[in-house]
Amino acid sequence: DVKVTQSSRYLVKRTGEKVFLECVQDMDHENMFWYRQDPGLGLRLIYFSYDVKMKEKGDIPEGYSVSREKKERFSLILESASTNQTSMYLCASREAGPYEQYFGPGTRLTVT
Amino acid sequence: DAKTTQPNSMESNEEEPVHLPCNHSTISGTDYIHWYRQLPSQGPEYVIHGLTSNVNNRMASLAIAEDRKSSTLILHRATLRDAAVYYCILLSGNTGKLIFGQGTTLQVKP
Repeated sequence: DVKVTQSSRYLVKRTGEKVFLECVQDMDHENMFWYRQDPGLGLRLIYFSYDVKMKEKGDIPEGYSVSREKKERFSLILESASTNQTSMYLCASREAGPYEQYFGPGTRLTVT
Repeated sequence: DAKTTQPNSMESNEEEPVHLPCNHSTISGTDYIHWYRQLPSQGPEYVIHGLTSNVNNRMASLAIAEDRKSSTLILHRATLRDAAVYYCILLSGNTGKLIFGQGTTLQVKP
């Protein structure tokens, strides 16, 4: 079974803190993605990566950055967390091509 | 990115078939039709995908119209565990991004 794991299920941070959300997949997938999900707004794509050290902006990249130093790991970074970044964050991975995408369980981040 | 249109909600009775429709009139030749579902408090889960021909797997069937402007996800016997939000998404073979809409919330009544 494909496994996409995220470092935390729940996280509470203070405004202005630097936050790292880690995602690891064990299926050697080329593509990895970060989404956030908010009530009424659905899932929105933040960043994605097609290969190591490559990154592409999604629909809402402002306030976020990403890092992909190894194929299996894709990190989402909030340089200075703000309360409007309180959300559910979902990581996903997929083999190169139009194939099924696998999601992690999500990290519920609260910024106070 | 081509968009899809789904009903906001649907209801079904347990052990009956469910047909979830999706319209995608602006689909392009390289777009694959993907379906995902999301159970409460979980990440989305892949259900099925196809390009032109109908597809079957252990979870569901996907019926694709001949002109590809619409498709239907078929759950053959709904169970209470099938209650979820179902998303129909077009995945472009070129850009490869899954862009989620609002989906259809399926309620299954015992």
